[in-house]
Amino acid sequence: DGGITQSPKYLFRKEGQNVTLSCEQNLNHDAMYWYRQDPGQGLRLIYYSQIVNDFQKGDIAEGYSVSREKKESFPLTVTSAQKNPTAFYLCASSHREGNSPLHFGNGTRLTVT
Amino acid sequence: DAKTTQPNSMESNEEEPVHLPCNHSTISGTDYIHWYRQLPSQGPEYVIHGLTSNVNNRMASLAIAEDRKSSTLILHRATLRDAAVYYCILRDRVQGAQKLVFGQGTRLTINP
Repeated sequence: DGGITQSPKYLFRKEGQNVTLSCEQNLNHDAMYWYRQDPGQGLRLIYYSQIVNDFQKGDIAEGYSVSREKKESFPLTVTSAQKNPTAFYLCASSHREGNSPLHFGNGTRLTVT
Repeated sequence: DAKTTQPNSMESNEEEPVHLPCNHSTISGTDYIHWYRQLPSQGPEYVIHGLTSNVNNRMASLAIAEDRKSSTLILHRATLRDAAVYYCILRDRVQGAQKLVFGQGTRLTINP
């Protein structure tokens, strides 16, 4: 079955450590996105990519980095520079056309203490 | 970035229709209107999208105003499983991947 997979589901880290969240899709989608969600809030865009080796900052990119070396993969690194990293992180993918739905993963809940 | 505005919360009863509004007064002629819903601790799932005409699928109907500055997601017969946060977003037809902005959405509560 085609889909988008985020791993792990839960992640715990100590403050000061970088951590990388995985996002893989086998839907042959060109576009991929990373969102952050805080409790009771909407989704905020961190980074997005429309093609391999290209990505753009979203609204809250500070303290995060991404790479897009393969079409299927769009890992997100939460660096120690991110002041409030504890959150629910969601990855999505889609074809680039505007009538193409976004497919979301089930998220990674990151807790930093 | 084109913005959408939705009520923070709505409440309805099981087996009754639900009309969820979305305002998008700055919509451009090439923007599709997309709706998603999110259950607790899950990623959002696609519900429906449209451009100008009303749309129906197995999950819901989408009614788009003639001037396209607002739209309404219609759940014809709500069930308890429809309790979720519903998001309305705009997606440009020609710009490829873009900054897709999700607002706060509408938290829908369904009473048994």
